[in-house]
Amino acid sequence: DTAVSQTPKYLVTQMGNDKSIKCEQNLGHDTMYWYKQDSKKFLKIMFSYNNKELIINETVPNRFSPKSPDKAHLNLHINSLELGDSAVYFCASSQGALAGGEQYFGPGTRLTVT
Amino acid sequence: SQQGEEDPQALSIQEGENATMNCSYKTSINNLQWYRQNSGRGLVHLILIRSNEREKHSGRLRVTLDTSKKSSSLLITASRAADTASYFCATDGGSNYKLTFGKGTLLTVNP
Repeated sequence: DTAVSQTPKYLVTQMGNDKSIKCEQNLGHDTMYWYKQDSKKFLKIMFSYNNKELIINETVPNRFSPKSPDKAHLNLHINSLELGDSAVYFCASSQGALAGGEQYFGPGTRLTVT
Repeated sequence: SQQGEEDPQALSIQEGENATMNCSYKTSINNLQWYRQNSGRGLVHLILIRSNEREKHSGRLRVTLDTSKKSSSLLITASRAADTASYFCATDGGSNYKLTFGKGTLLTVNP
């Protein structure tokens, strides 16, 4: 069984559209994250959620709105997509705060905005 | 600001050789982690070393940490073609709920 899953795997859309990416983890973790990896493979934290509460918002434009309906799910909705949003988006989860251990990553969603 | 930086950016070796990658960071940390990313895949956790540890082993992996120099190294011994991947260090910057990743080292192991 996949530990952290994301859908869709690929997303091609036009500028100005609104799209969502879904993430689910079956590890029983209480903390989930969204990362953005650019074309140079630089991976940057976007959001952290602990027990459905937003903990970290790393100065992400408010066109990006995460939602955590329960501890096992963290979705990412993006409004008015721009060319610069093209990237691979990774969801991850961990148990508790990072000082305690590792993060488990999903397979990524490759978003292409044309 | 970027916390970790790996060195070198790319490394190409022959199967059976050892591969060493270095990571430098800027602020104090609780722990430092290394991750592997195969092409087109998500990151996979390899090893975590705490700030009060100096060396840690896991199979063919050896990680060292020098907090006075704010640096870490990852050694992969007896490399295999399957080790071909990008390797990233990540630090917590002394805070919870946030990992900061370096730019990664692309390791190519030639059969």
